Amino acid sequence: DGGITQSPKYLFRKEGQNVTLSCEQNLNHDAMYWYRQDPGQGLRLIYYSQIVNDFQKGDIAEGYSVSREKKESFPLTVTSAQKNPTAFYLCASSITSVAAGELFFGEGSRLTVL
Amino acid sequence: GQQVMQIPQYQHVQEGEDFTTYCNSSTTLSNIQWYKQRPGGHPVFLIQLVKSGEVKKQKRLTFQFGEAKKNSSLHITATQTTDVGTYFCAGRAGGFKTIFGAGTRLFVKA
Repeated sequence: DGGITQSPKYLFRKEGQNVTLSCEQNLNHDAMYWYRQDPGQGLRLIYYSQIVNDFQKGDIAEGYSVSREKKESFPLTVTSAQKNPTAFYLCASSITSVAAGELFFGEGSRLTVL
Repeated sequence: GQQVMQIPQYQHVQEGEDFTTYCNSSTTLSNIQWYKQRPGGHPVFLIQLVKSGEVKKQKRLTFQFGEAKKNSSLHITATQTTDVGTYFCAGRAGGFKTIFGAGTRLFVKA
């Protein structure tokens, strides 16, 4: 079945540690996205990528980094510079078409900083 | 930068009552999408609107895109308990940067 796989589903980390969240898709989509969701709040865009080896900052990129070396993969690193990293992280992908660009989401990764 | 505002933040309804959530963008949008997120789940795509003044229906759900392509609404007729969740609008002003509204959480009392 095609879809987006995020891992791990739950992650605990100590302050000062970097952590990398995995996002893999087999939908053959060119565009991929990372969003952060805090309890009771909407989705805020961290980074997005429209093509391999290219990505753009979203509205809250500080303290995060990404890479897009393969079409299928768009990992997110939450660095120690991110002051409030505890959140629900959602990865999504879409085709690069204005007329049909629905986002397909993974099930998310819930990060807790202890 | 581009902002998408959504109201209300919460809505409590009695089963059978109607529900509407509104979305406004600070910039003209190339398209707007609507998603539903059940508690503990991830957002699931409902529909996309592209044309100015467009209206689309899905059973009891009616979606509208404003003439100026800066606002949109989702209306649910005769809510059911299965409608509970958070409804998000998401807009693109050009390119593929997709900005979400804060969402409207719907509670339905049986």
